[in-house]
Parts: sequence; structure tokens; C-alpha cells
Amino acid sequence: GAVVSQHPSWVICKSGTSVKIECRSLDFQATTMFWYRQFPKQSLMLMATSNEGSKATYEQGVEKDKFLINHASLTLSTLTVTSAHPEDSSFYICSARGPRFGEVETQYFGPGTRLLVL
Amino acid sequence: RKEVEQDPGPFNVPEGATVAFNCTYSNSASQSFFWYRQDCRKEPKLLMSVYSSGNEDGRFTAQLNRASQYISLLIRDSKLSDSATYLCVVKIGSRGKLIFGQGTELSVKP
Repeated sequence: GAVVSQHPSWVICKSGTSVKIECRSLDFQATTMFWYRQFPKQSLMLMATSNEGSKATYEQGVEKDKFLINHASLTLSTLTVTSAHPEDSSFYICSARGPRFGEVETQYFGPGTRLLVL
Repeated sequence: RKEVEQDPGPFNVPEGATVAFNCTYSNSASQSFFWYRQDCRKEPKLLMSVYSSGNEDGRFTAQLNRASQYISLLIRDSKLSDSATYLCVVKIGSRGKLIFGQGTELSVKP
């Protein structure tokens, strides 16, 4: 079954609106969550890394004021795309890392969110 | 130069064929290595970790050569269900950042 969930799975919005994407670890506490973006036919690119209760660390070239990340608890992180524009249309994937059932820390990916900005 | 580079695809092979994917990475401080599989419009899923001693999981064999900074994946007796994009992934840094290659598309035909 799913280990990490994302909501919504897809969203279509008008240019200028803000979109919030939720990422939840379902049966473990995620010490770290990651947000990736994937454009068609391209690789996953890490946008930012977040640890519960602290500010996210953004990768070079990713605007922290545009992509707001909140890691409010050990099971929930949110990514808000503020004032979205058509070039923000992409596949956004989160992943969560933590010890699950006593295993070595593993990174689990969510099912992704497709964003289309018109 | 990209941090992780893979063979360009797509690879179109008949069922039962053996296919090999190659990958090179540029950061010599890379700690861990993986192959992921990504189906169309889905999230990537871990296929297998890659160790210097080489490791096998059924029809899949992965090899790592740290000196050459080279990783490979061999798929034997390919099935239709193996059709997907295969991603070479390297883990670096204290935060355990994953760097993904651009992926190699495999299409197995009947």
C-alpha cells in the first residue's frame, strides 16, 4: 500500500493563483521531506529539502518566496506555488525519509501532483 | 557536465532480450547508488540499490565501479512489463540528496 500520499493528484488553475500541495507520510514519521519537480522528458530535479520545525533548504535557482514549503509535523509537508504561471506547469513529487518499522532510513516517493497553469 | 548521465534512449527490444543500461556520475564523494523505475506519469520506484560487489535480484543485475564512477543495470529475459524509464540515482552529501539521471526509456515489444 501507499507509504506517502500527495494531494491533490492533479490541479488546473488560472495564472496568478496560488496552489497548495500536501505530502503526508502515512505510517511513519518523516524526519526529512523533499520536493522535486519533473518537466516532460526530463529528470527529477530537487527543489528543496525540509526538516520538521525548521526552514527548508532550497536548491540553487529555486525561488524560496515563490515555492513556500512548510514542514509542520513529522508526517506533513506542504508546497505552495505562489502566483503560479504557465511555466510552473510540471509534475511535482514529494518524498519522505524516515525509519519505518525499524528499517534503515529509506526515501519513499509520493504519487506526484500534476499542475497545469493556464 | 551533468552530475549523473545515462545512455540516451529509447531502447526498443523484443521480449526475452537482454538489455544493459549504463550510467556515469561526476561526484567522487557520492555515497550510495540506486536504480529506480518510473512508469509513464507515475512516481519513481526503487528497483534496487547498487553495491561495489555487484548485486542481483532475479533477472536484474547491478554493478558499480567506483574507480570509473560507472554504474550499470542488466535486465535478462526482458518482459513486456519491464517497459518503463530507468533512472540512475546517486546519493550525495550529509543531507542525503538524491541526484537523478535523465532516465533511459525501455520499450519491450512482443
